[in-house]
Amino acid sequence: AQSVAQPEDQVNVAEGNPLTVKCTYSVSGNPYLFWYVQYPNRGLQFLLKYITGDNLVKGSYGFEAEFNKSQTSFHLKKPSALVSDSALYFCAVRGPNDYKLSFGAGTTVTVRA
Amino acid sequence: DTGVSQDPRHKITKRGQNVTFRCDPISEHNRLYWYRQTLGQGPEFLTYFQNEAQLEKSRLLSDRFSAERPKGSFSTLEIQRTEQGDSAMYLCASSSGTDINQPQHFGDGTRLSIL
Repeated sequence: AQSVAQPEDQVNVAEGNPLTVKCTYSVSGNPYLFWYVQYPNRGLQFLLKYITGDNLVKGSYGFEAEFNKSQTSFHLKKPSALVSDSALYFCAVRGPNDYKLSFGAGTTVTVRA
Repeated sequence: DTGVSQDPRHKITKRGQNVTFRCDPISEHNRLYWYRQTLGQGPEFLTYFQNEAQLEKSRLLSDRFSAERPKGSFSTLEIQRTEQGDSAMYLCASSSGTDINQPQHFGDGTRLSIL
């Protein structure tokens, strides 16, 4: 079975400060890891993925994520948050022989001006 | 790339009625997925198609739910005899069949409300 935990329901930061959204996962075999963002009444928008290679992956809108195999984590980061980054963020995982994604419960990010 | 399109965006119906949703994937994508998202939760997998073949169904997909993708292009998800617990956002996603490393791309969903 595969699963994702996002330990924080909410993250609040001031604009210009670093933003981190935490994610830990459980999966059989090498993980395929993804971050998505969701705005109100919209679908999920892909931000970035880790399949293999460099543990630090860069994605859209200045986001990056760090894969840590020993801690089974894949935390999302942004060096300088914007008010427009306020949204719901989902971490997802699938196994190497699977296609369906398992999502965490989501983390609501609020960036205050 | 016109993205994944879902119709309708919103559906309000009375308990016991049947509803059908449509999903048009990105044109070159041969893999199509349905997920369900309830308030405060992440999406949960329902079913998956490769071309017209339905390859996997979640245990969440009760007998009242049926999905089809008859020509390997658009897909429909039907719910018969709707119940209050069916109220949710139904999300469709598609991905490339030639590169399994590519991400799934999601539509904006159909929000179902059962009165």
